[in-house]
Amino acid sequence: GAVVSQHPSRVICKSGTSVKIECRSLDFQATTMFWYRQFPKKSLMLMATSNEGSKATYEQGVEKDKFLINHASLTLSTLTVTSAHPEDSSFYICSATGTSGRGGQFFGPGTRLTVL
Amino acid sequence: DAKTTQPTSMDCAEGRAANLPCNHSTISGNEYVYWYRQIHSQGPQYIIHGLKNNETNEMASLIITEDRKSSTLILPHATLRDTAVYYCIVSGTGTASKLTFGTGTRLQVTL
Repeated sequence: GAVVSQHPSRVICKSGTSVKIECRSLDFQATTMFWYRQFPKKSLMLMATSNEGSKATYEQGVEKDKFLINHASLTLSTLTVTSAHPEDSSFYICSATGTSGRGGQFFGPGTRLTVL
Repeated sequence: DAKTTQPTSMDCAEGRAANLPCNHSTISGNEYVYWYRQIHSQGPQYIIHGLKNNETNEMASLIITEDRKSSTLILPHATLRDTAVYYCIVSGTGTASKLTFGTGTRLQVTL
C-alpha cells in the first residue's frame, strides 16, 4: 500500500514552454503533498508543500509564479514549470502523506525534466 | 528540525551486515528518526523510523541510543541491490511534517 505515481517519468521540452507534472496517490488519500527538486549529485531540496484545496506554501527562494502547484483533490497534485529554461532541468520528485497509518512521506518515482 | 550528520560513504561486502551511523544530537523529544534510501535515478524509499525504542522490519533494524543523540541503521545481509544513498532524517509525524534531506551516506555493496 501507499503508492505514489508520477507522470511523465521523463520529459524534454524547448526553452520557453511550460511543462506539467502529475503526482497521484494511488491507494490512499493524500492530505499533504510535497514537491522536491534534485540536481545531479545533489540531495533533494524541498520546493513547496501543498494541502488539498488550499494554496501551496513555497520554500524560500522558490518562485511561486514559475512553479505553479495545484492540489485539487486528495489524490492528485500537479506541478507546472512555466516558461522553462535550461537551468530548470532537474529531477522533480513528489511525496505524499495521508491516511496511511504511519508517519513520514511516500515518494513518487520522480520526473526527469530536460529543457533544451 | 534537528540536523543530522552521516559519513559520506561506506563500503560493505555482500552478505555482511551494513551498519550505517547517524548523529542527531539536537533532536527534540517529539521528533522521530527516519531512514530513507535512494537508488540512482529513483524516488526515495522509506526504510524504517523510530522514536526511542529499537525497531525492526523486513528491511532493516534501527538502533537508537538511550539519549537519542545517535542511531544506527542495520541491513543484516547486504546485497548488491542495497547499493544506494541512505538518508537519516529527524522529523515529526504530522502529515505536514517536512523532511530535510542532508547529503546522506553512499553505501556501496561489493562482491
